[in-house]
Amino acid sequence: DAGVIQSPRHEVTEMGQEVTLRCKPISGHDYLFWYRQTMMRGLELLIYFNNNVPIDDSGMPEDRFSAKMPNASFSTLKIQPSEPRDSAVYFCASSPLAGVAEQYFGPGTRLTVT
Amino acid sequence: GEDVEQSLFLSVREGDSSVINCTYTDSSSTYLYWYKQEPGAGLQLLTYIFSNMDMKQDQRLTVLLNKKDKHLSLRIADTQTGDSAIYFCAERPGSGFQKLVFGTGTRLLVSP
Repeated sequence: DAGVIQSPRHEVTEMGQEVTLRCKPISGHDYLFWYRQTMMRGLELLIYFNNNVPIDDSGMPEDRFSAKMPNASFSTLKIQPSEPRDSAVYFCASSPLAGVAEQYFGPGTRLTVT
Repeated sequence: GEDVEQSLFLSVREGDSSVINCTYTDSSSTYLYWYKQEPGAGLQLLTYIFSNMDMKQDQRLTVLLNKKDKHLSLRIADTQTGDSAIYFCAERPGSGFQKLVFGTGTRLLVSP
C-alpha cells in the first residue's frame, strides 16, 4: 500500500492567494483527518470526515478555510484568501473504522505564505 | 475536557534508556498511543496500549499505563541516535468518536 498521499509537498504563495491542499487516503479507510502543525500551537485537528461526510469541523480556524471530500479516495483543504499566519505544515491522516483505529499520517504539505 | 500533556524536551546519551512521560485527563479513554515524528515527516504509530492493560512490551519499547493516575510512559531501551525525534502521546476518548487527542510532543535528543 502506498500509504496516505499528499500534494503538493511544499507550497509557497503570496498573501491573498487561494491555496488548495490535496490528500488521498489509504484505500478502505473510513475516516479522514486534516491537521495543522506549528511550533507555537503544536498539532491541531482541523476537521474530520466519516464516509466522506464532515463530522467535526470545530477546529477550522475561520471561514477562509474549507474542506471537501467528494469521494472515498480524495479530499481537499482550501484556504482563500491565504494569510502569513496560515504558514504551517498540514497533515492528512486516515484510519479504519474497526479495531485499534490508529491513524496513518501522510508526509504533510509545508505551506509558506509571504 | 480532554487534554494530554508531555514535557517538551529530553536529552540522553546513546546506549542509555529514555523514558518519556504523558498525562491525560479522560478516564474513559479506550486506547492510548505513542507516535514518532522524524524531521520533515508525518507521524508514525510506534505502539499502543488498550486501557485494560498496564504494560506492553515490543522489542526495545515498553509502555506503562497507570490508569489511576492517568499516566502513560514510553521507555526506549538502548537508545540510539536514530531514535532522535519528536514523540507524541495520544488518547482515544471514550466518547465513541474516532478522533484522537494528541499531546504537545516531547523532543528526544540522543547524543553519541
